[in-house]
Amino acid sequence: GNSVTQMEGPVTLSEEAFLTINCTYTATGYPSLFWYVQYPGEGLQLLLKATKADDKGSNKGFEATYRKETTSFHLEKGSVQVSDSAVYFCALGSQGNLIFGKGTKLSVKP
Amino acid sequence: DTGVSQDPRHKITKRGQNVTFRCDPISEHNRLYWYRQTLGQGPEFLTYFQNEAQLEKSRLLSDRFSAERPKGSFSTLEIQRTEQGDSAMYLCASSLAQGSNQPQHFGDGTRLSIL
Repeated sequence: GNSVTQMEGPVTLSEEAFLTINCTYTATGYPSLFWYVQYPGEGLQLLLKATKADDKGSNKGFEATYRKETTSFHLEKGSVQVSDSAVYFCALGSQGNLIFGKGTKLSVKP
Repeated sequence: DTGVSQDPRHKITKRGQNVTFRCDPISEHNRLYWYRQTLGQGPEFLTYFQNEAQLEKSRLLSDRFSAERPKGSFSTLEIQRTEQGDSAMYLCASSLAQGSNQPQHFGDGTRLSIL
């Protein structure tokens, strides 16, 4: 069946460091891929999405490229800020519902 | 801009009691989803509606769980004879019904605690 695997956290970085959070998936067909973010005390928010192979989603300085050959959708940001501290979820959209990874907690220190 | 609204935000109840949660989706969205999230895990799909029709139910949705969307607008999720394992955050989301590439917009959730 369809599944999503993302790197376990927590990840702790200093401000302005480079961020990568790995996400790989298993799916039949051609799913859409998403990154959601959950800030402390808030609900899930869509961060970015990609709907087909080689698409790059981007938002707020974050980027992820849909790589069909490696079944990956890694999240990257060139320079993180303290305000990026949150839990990040990779998700796969298939036949209506979303399948989420377990989430990666990011803490950014000043 | 009115997002997805869930009520109540928190519910504490004794084991064996029934509970009901409400979700009001974004008004123009015809799909509505329910998920459950436990600590340290990602949300797990429970069920979804397109308009008033319940199109899919997860195996996680035991017989004690029932969801309705009677007029294709708000939805309710009822849990009967609650158990300790039902303690979780229950999330509602909505989207337009145009395939799997439509992003789902989430509410803040209802946190259920079973004593």
